[in-house]
Amino acid sequence: GDSVTQMEGPVTLSEEAFLTINCTYTATGYPSLFWYVQYPGEGLQLLLKATKADDKGSNKGFEATYRKETTSFHLEKGSVQVSDSAVYFCALDGGSQGNLIFGKGTKLSVKP
Amino acid sequence: DAGVIQSPRHEVTEMGQEVTLRCKPISGHNSLFWYRQTMMRGLELLIYFNNNVPIDDSGMPEDRFSAKMPNASFSTLKIQPSEPRDSAVYFCASSQNLLGRADTQYFGPGTRLTVL
Repeated sequence: GDSVTQMEGPVTLSEEAFLTINCTYTATGYPSLFWYVQYPGEGLQLLLKATKADDKGSNKGFEATYRKETTSFHLEKGSVQVSDSAVYFCALDGGSQGNLIFGKGTKLSVKP
Repeated sequence: DAGVIQSPRHEVTEMGQEVTLRCKPISGHNSLFWYRQTMMRGLELLIYFNNNVPIDDSGMPEDRFSAKMPNASFSTLKIQPSEPRDSAVYFCASSQNLLGRADTQYFGPGTRLTVL
């Protein structure tokens, strides 16, 4: 079945470092892909999404490009801030069932 | 819009008691999802509804859990009887799914349940 695999955490970076969180997927067809972020004590919120191959989603300095050839949707940010400390979830469109399939989440900690 | 509304935000109860969690989805959304999140098991999908009809309840842990959606603006998740291992944060989410494709889910703030 469809699935999402994202890199294990936790990831610890210093402020202004470059961030990459890897996400690969297995799916039939061409599902929409999402990145969600969960700040401490809050629910998940959409960070960015892409609906077709080669699309680039972007928000708050984060970017991810839908790569059909490598079935990947890696999250990147050029310069992280302490306020980016959170758990990041990759997800894909589960198809006609109408659900999203989430990865296990990657915890990011950014130190000043 | 106020977003997805969940109540209560915190619930502390004793083992064996009935617990009811409530959710009001975003107006106009046709899909509603209940999730459970714990440190050990991560984020788990319990059940979801489309147009008030349960589509997949395979994630519901056992018969002690039940969920209803009597109308488009309200859903409940009930645990009876509750057990300490049910302690978790329960999230409700809603989305507007068109043409059978899943779209952005909007999450509520969650209900933190503690069963003593």
